[in-house]
Amino acid sequence: SQKIEQNSEALNIQEGKTATLTCNYTNYSPAYLQWYRQDPGRGPVFLLLIRENEKEKRKERLKVTFDTTLKQSLFHITASQPADSATYLCALTSGGSYIPTFGRGTSLIVHP
Amino acid sequence: SAVISQKPSRDICQRGTSLTIQCQVDSQVTMMFWYRQQPGQSLTLIATANQGSEATYESGFVIDKFPISRPNLTFSTLTVSNMSPEDSSIYLCSVGPSGETQYFGPGTRLLVL
Repeated sequence: SQKIEQNSEALNIQEGKTATLTCNYTNYSPAYLQWYRQDPGRGPVFLLLIRENEKEKRKERLKVTFDTTLKQSLFHITASQPADSATYLCALTSGGSYIPTFGRGTSLIVHP
Repeated sequence: SAVISQKPSRDICQRGTSLTIQCQVDSQVTMMFWYRQQPGQSLTLIATANQGSEATYESGFVIDKFPISRPNLTFSTLTVSNMSPEDSSIYLCSVGPSGETQYFGPGTRLLVL
């Protein structure tokens, strides 16, 4: 069956360090992959989208990589700040579909 | 992008009652989506609502339990019927105007006693 795996344990890092979150998937042929941020009591907010033929995408302090051979995406936040503390969700959309399937998300806690 | 509002933001309901959640978008969109997010779980799609036609429900969700209305291109409602404590969850509406990125409302936090 199709599965999206994100680390259920919270990631704790110190301010200024690079946070790296992982999204692994099985039995998918995604056309693209997205990362969202979700703060407590709020809906997810779109951050970045990367397509199957792209290796890397950057936006300010954010970087996403996409390895369709390893079936994995890495999400990096450089120079992390306490304001980056949130839950980060990855979402996969298969070719021919317009509806993403979401992972459970990983909580990031950046300590000052 | 799209700005989405939901009402109510939260509610506490008694078992056996029903709650209707409203979702308003600041622009016209073809499809609106309703999700459920249970504590510690991923977002689960309940149904897709198209204006002028019946909603399309995902496996495990039925119209009798989650009736949806879509009277125009900027508004939709989701009703959670005959509620039980298992329906306690966050309910989110979203739109995907570009066909790729999804924009979410702030969610409705429901507690059923």
